[in-house]
Amino acid sequence: DTEVTQTPKHLVMGMTNKKSLKCEQHMGHRAMYWYKQKAKKPPELMFVYSYEKLSINESVPSRFSPECPNSSLLNLHLHALQPEDSALYLCASSQGLAGASPSRTDTQYFGPGTRLTVL
Amino acid sequence: KNQVEQSPQSLIILEGKNCTLQCNYTVSPFSNLRWYKQDTGRGPVSLTIMTFSENTKSNGRYTATLDADTKQSSLHITASQLSDSASYICVVSGRTGGFKTIFGAGTRLFVKA
Repeated sequence: DTEVTQTPKHLVMGMTNKKSLKCEQHMGHRAMYWYKQKAKKPPELMFVYSYEKLSINESVPSRFSPECPNSSLLNLHLHALQPEDSALYLCASSQGLAGASPSRTDTQYFGPGTRLTVL
Repeated sequence: KNQVEQSPQSLIILEGKNCTLQCNYTVSPFSNLRWYKQDTGRGPVSLTIMTFSENTKSNGRYTATLDADTKQSSLHITASQLSDSASYICVVSGRTGGFKTIFGAGTRLFVKA
């Protein structure tokens, strides 16, 4: 099983709503990532979890709150978002932390993404 | 400054033709370089991954090359198909104590019948 699943596929929310994005993998990967991607732009890293601990937060606003309940699951809690937060949110996982050492060739496996629209 | 630059920005080719996409990077120290294919509205799918010591890697009709001295990589697509229409993203990871991965802006490929 080399699949990363994400739910929901589409999400429309108002600026006062609270919602969560979910990501799951059963490949035994110990690193999981959240990316944000705007149209015609490359993915932008938001958060990295390594061994269920937050290891990187790329100065993401606090209205985005990640959570890693266990090694297979990664959530992204959303609260008081702005219309400019509308984007494709991608989850990825890799065996180890990609690029962390010379010998690591950990491929990141991406999920299909959640298309988020903030009204 | 660590950067990954891809060219061309977009490309239109006829079905059955070959094409080559370019990726130049300044990420240092270098760890590995990956090429991904991303269909519109979908997550990227890995095509190839190469470390410092690898010069070429193939995956079906996709062949990636790497010149670590000049910090250049290319992705060659042979006998293109309509389904090859997608964005191709070059991703370079740095060999530092922490995590450093830089995404290129991608090349948008259109294959026409």
